Amino acid sequence: DQQVKQNSPSLSVQEGRISILNCDYTNSMFDYFLWYKKYPAEGPTFLISISSIKDKNEDGRFTVFLNKSAKHLSLHIVPSQPGDSAVYFCAASLAGNQFYFGTGTSLTVIP
Amino acid sequence: DTEVTQTPKHLVMGMTNKKSLKCEQHMGHRAMYWYKQKAKKPPELMFVYSYEKLSINESVPSRFSPECPNSSLLNLHLHALQPEDSALYLCASSHPPREGTDTQYFGPGTRLTVL
Repeated sequence: DQQVKQNSPSLSVQEGRISILNCDYTNSMFDYFLWYKKYPAEGPTFLISISSIKDKNEDGRFTVFLNKSAKHLSLHIVPSQPGDSAVYFCAASLAGNQFYFGTGTSLTVIP
Repeated sequence: DTEVTQTPKHLVMGMTNKKSLKCEQHMGHRAMYWYKQKAKKPPELMFVYSYEKLSINESVPSRFSPECPNSSLLNLHLHALQPEDSALYLCASSHPPREGTDTQYFGPGTRLTVL
């Protein structure tokens, strides 16, 4: 059973606008969440993370929001750039040892 | 150096072959991981090594045999694979749980095709 879900397989956004990628999880024991970006034929690249004790973490154009009561996290990219086009995976960590990945959202930023 | 390297990049093997995938990192990470990723699916955890000892085996068939000869190297030995084992095999490393950030750094993967 998928413990981390990304319900939107794809998203298209105009350059300069905000991209919002969503992720839901079922296990309330997850204590660390990460977003990875993946280009074709490459391994996932770490993007940004958030601990379960926080509700927001920001790094440049990327902000991750965590809503523990809703078991939901989101990644905001603003402004979106064509180079952001990739597949984005959210992942959740259980005690830092096991990582569970969502199914990915393919983001296309249209110039 | 925040790089995880994997060799080979591509591997084609028959069902009777024996081959090995290699992974190397020099970030001082003492936890290393093997993942399998099928097309359009998320990476699936196979094995976790912590301090060169196997700590997690996610019920992986014995035709996959991991080995961690030292803190920088991780191997995956392959024998008698099936065509459905064709996938991208990803290696990752991180600090051991609770001893640093839990961020995993991934290698570029080995694209394996079993004929």
